[in-house]
Amino acid sequence: GAGVSQSPSNKVTEKGKDVELRCDPISGHTALYWYRQSLGQGLEFLIYFQGNSAPDKSGLPSDRFSAERTGGSVSTLTIQRTQQEDSAVYLCASSPRQGNYEQYFGPGTRLTVT
Amino acid sequence: AQSVTQLGSHVSVSEGALVLLRCNYSSSVPPYLFWYVQYPNQGLQLLLKYTSAATLVKGINGFEAEFKKSETSFHLTKPSAHMSDAAEYFCAVSEKGTGANNLFFGTGTRLTVIP
Repeated sequence: GAGVSQSPSNKVTEKGKDVELRCDPISGHTALYWYRQSLGQGLEFLIYFQGNSAPDKSGLPSDRFSAERTGGSVSTLTIQRTQQEDSAVYLCASSPRQGNYEQYFGPGTRLTVT
Repeated sequence: AQSVTQLGSHVSVSEGALVLLRCNYSSSVPPYLFWYVQYPNQGLQLLLKYTSAATLVKGINGFEAEFKKSETSFHLTKPSAHMSDAAEYFCAVSEKGTGANNLFFGTGTRLTVIP
């Protein structure tokens, strides 16, 4: 079946602009995660959605970052007033249900802020 | 707080040689443990996971890992490296029973296979 998809695959933006990154999870998966992978570093957790519960935003690095998940499916990660340090690969993952810790990752969006 | 340490950011092995990638974790409770592989320009793919069943876990592509509670380790091994194993490998931990479902990742180990 279809896996997790993300768009765009690459995004180049100017410093100070806003960007939106999209994630389509696997159909039927109730949990959705966003991670950031910076050059030379591991993956950093950003935010977690589970069903209709309030999201866990504990990993968002600043108030310029926000995310929403509409209808329990598609999610959008928004970065406002982008900075050069926001340049990274943003990965989305989904999981079948709460308590199942196996996560399925999308190919990521490579964001470059110039 | 959870943390994962992967010793060696780069590991090189000859084709056919043993692969050993090290992972140690810190957790106040026995966690769930995972190894993921990332090929160039791709997302992460689950290799194997430990969720409190058998301590020796077998995964895809001939990889396996052993959970050793006394050593807080979850090292990844493969008896014989293949060229196609060249990739970056990430160890991750999730704390079970707390409702915290996010994964904490190590910084990754890049495996190079020498022909």
